[in-house]
Amino acid sequence: QKEVEQDPGPLSVPEGAIVSLNCTYSNSAFQYFMWYRQYSRKGPELLMYTYSSGNKEDGRFTAQVDKSSKYISLFIRDSQPSDSATYLCAMSAGNFNKFYFGSGTKLNVKP
Amino acid sequence: DVKVTQSSRYLVKRTGEKVFLECVQDMDHENMFWYRQDPGLGLRLIYFSYDVKMKEKGDIPEGYSVSREKKERFSLILESASTNQTSMYLCASRRTSHEQFFGPGTRLTVL
Repeated sequence: QKEVEQDPGPLSVPEGAIVSLNCTYSNSAFQYFMWYRQYSRKGPELLMYTYSSGNKEDGRFTAQVDKSSKYISLFIRDSQPSDSATYLCAMSAGNFNKFYFGSGTKLNVKP
Repeated sequence: DVKVTQSSRYLVKRTGEKVFLECVQDMDHENMFWYRQDPGLGLRLIYFSYDVKMKEKGDIPEGYSVSREKKERFSLILESASTNQTSMYLCASRRTSHEQFFGPGTRLTVL
């Protein structure tokens, strides 16, 4: 069983839609949760970071962690064509030299 | 503006060749990483380095070696390239926090 599971998509939505991206994990020791965005032919860039449980909001993006269910989500409000990318979740138990990445969900926002 | 650069965007090599992938960061970061990214498998850690001349194996070090002679430069070496090493290779660096900064990636094809 993989440590981190993520639906690969692709997910196609119309512009303005609310997007929900999710990851599940099996290791209850994970405490640090990250979402990376990767545009085509580019390296991933950090989008959101959350420690432990709860929500974090940054503009149109909200990261949510439910440790009891071992489930994390990224919500994108008012999605834009420029949000079209692959979104990777990543998590760590505290050793920042060891991250566990999901396989990524490809998102396409249609104008 | 932080920057991680990789020597090549695309590389084609033949089976059995020795391959060098170079990564340079300009952020004075102590920690540097090499990942490979494959569809459905996400990012997998090959090696990381926490200081000059210091290295540790990641999850999939077989068939690879690394070199870090200067703080800003981290090289990945494929001693004898094989077709199953065809992949996207991503370099990253970080200082003390959780955030890793990624390079644009090198897409390596081994024929």
